[in-house]
Amino acid sequence: AQKVTQAQTEISVVEKEDVTLDCVYETRDTTYYLFWYKQPPSGELVFLIRRNSFDEQNEISGRYSWNFQKSTSSFNFTITASQVVDSAVYFCALSGRNTGTASKLTFGTGTRLQVTL
Amino acid sequence: DAGVIQSPRHEVTEMGQEVTLRCKPISGHDYLFWYRQTMMRGLELLIYFNNNVPIDDSGMPEDRFSAKMPNASFSTLKIQPSEPRDSAVYFCASSFRSLNTEAFFGQGTRLTVV
Repeated sequence: AQKVTQAQTEISVVEKEDVTLDCVYETRDTTYYLFWYKQPPSGELVFLIRRNSFDEQNEISGRYSWNFQKSTSSFNFTITASQVVDSAVYFCALSGRNTGTASKLTFGTGTRLQVTL
Repeated sequence: DAGVIQSPRHEVTEMGQEVTLRCKPISGHDYLFWYRQTMMRGLELLIYFNNNVPIDDSGMPEDRFSAKMPNASFSTLKIQPSEPRDSAVYFCASSFRSLNTEAFFGQGTRLTVV
């Protein structure tokens, strides 16, 4: 069975602060994929990043960065110099593959980020 | 491409009525997913299709729920009869080639059953 835990239910920061959203996962799949999605107040789900389990290299995209650590089963997301437009609910998700059988996407419960002026 | 298109955006219906939600996936995508989002249960996968064929409907809560995909560019999720506990946001998503690639979501249908 797969599980994604986002222990932080809600985080509030002041604009320009850095913030890290935690994600811890559990899976028995031999190969797996980790995702982050953003859900702004308008409600749609926006894809941010996909990582496979063989690629532990951290990734940076503008103010966003992701830290994948297989040893601790974590895939944390950091926003540098946060802005009000970053206010949203962020979901971490996991899918896997084991001996040719793919397992479907499992979402965490989300972390609500509130960035204020 | 316009992305995944869902209709209607909002639906208010009375208990016992039939509700049909519609989805147009991204052209060329061969996987289509229906999710439900509620405060209590978060995002739940209801059913997914591959090449228009339902593959896993284990997330469909009851027989009142049914989904179809008559062709590659259209899918429906039907609830008959609807109940107040069905109130939620229903998302359709599509992806290309695999369950493990990124899924692109529609804007959702907010369903309220009174």
